[in-house]
Amino acid sequence: GENVEQHPSTLSVQEGDSAVIKCTYSDSASNYFPWYKQELGKRPQLIIDIRSNVGEKKDQRIAVTLNKTAKHFSLHITETQPEDSAVYFCAAGKNSNSGYALNFGKGTSLLVTP
Amino acid sequence: EAGVTQSPTHLIKTRGQHATLRCSPISGHTSVYWYQQALGLGLQFLLWYDEGEERNRGNFPPRFSGRQFPNYSSELNVNALELEDSALYLCASRPQILNTEAFFGQGTRLTVV
Repeated sequence: GENVEQHPSTLSVQEGDSAVIKCTYSDSASNYFPWYKQELGKRPQLIIDIRSNVGEKKDQRIAVTLNKTAKHFSLHITETQPEDSAVYFCAAGKNSNSGYALNFGKGTSLLVTP
Repeated sequence: EAGVTQSPTHLIKTRGQHATLRCSPISGHTSVYWYQQALGLGLQFLLWYDEGEERNRGNFPPRFSGRQFPNYSSELNVNALELEDSALYLCASRPQILNTEAFFGQGTRLTVV
């Protein structure tokens, strides 16, 4: 099955700096790559996603890049703010039979210090 | 529109007992996913149901099982509970449309003592 590796497991940055989280996947058939943010005590929520026909996608301070050849994708957060502190999960999904399976990385705990 | 709802919010069981967790997907969503979130282990994929059928299961023992009802709600059953089953169990739903967002419920916190 699909194996998603995520690094680093913890990341601490100062407010205003950039944060980068990287993920690799094993199944070349994966074609959907969402990123979820989970604040303490809350449910994971989608912040951005990218599909395999696109190399980069940006939404305000958040961007995701995808390298299909190398089978890795990254989340970039610029001008970090304390409210960006959370656990971030990457995931990889693909069409499996009649639907999509979604496999997650182990998460990155991001701490933004003022 | 109501989001994904799970019940109960918290559940305390003793070792060897059985637990049943429930999930109601967003209206119109046919796929339901179950994940186990134990401390430090991220989101571990448990089960995926779509149109009433089990489509895939993760690397968990057979005592983890479930089903999906005709109204697309789902139930996760855990038999012969072990201490290490203590975790947050999250349910997510999505429509059967290619490459779409999965929406999570708030989870059921299962504690096995």
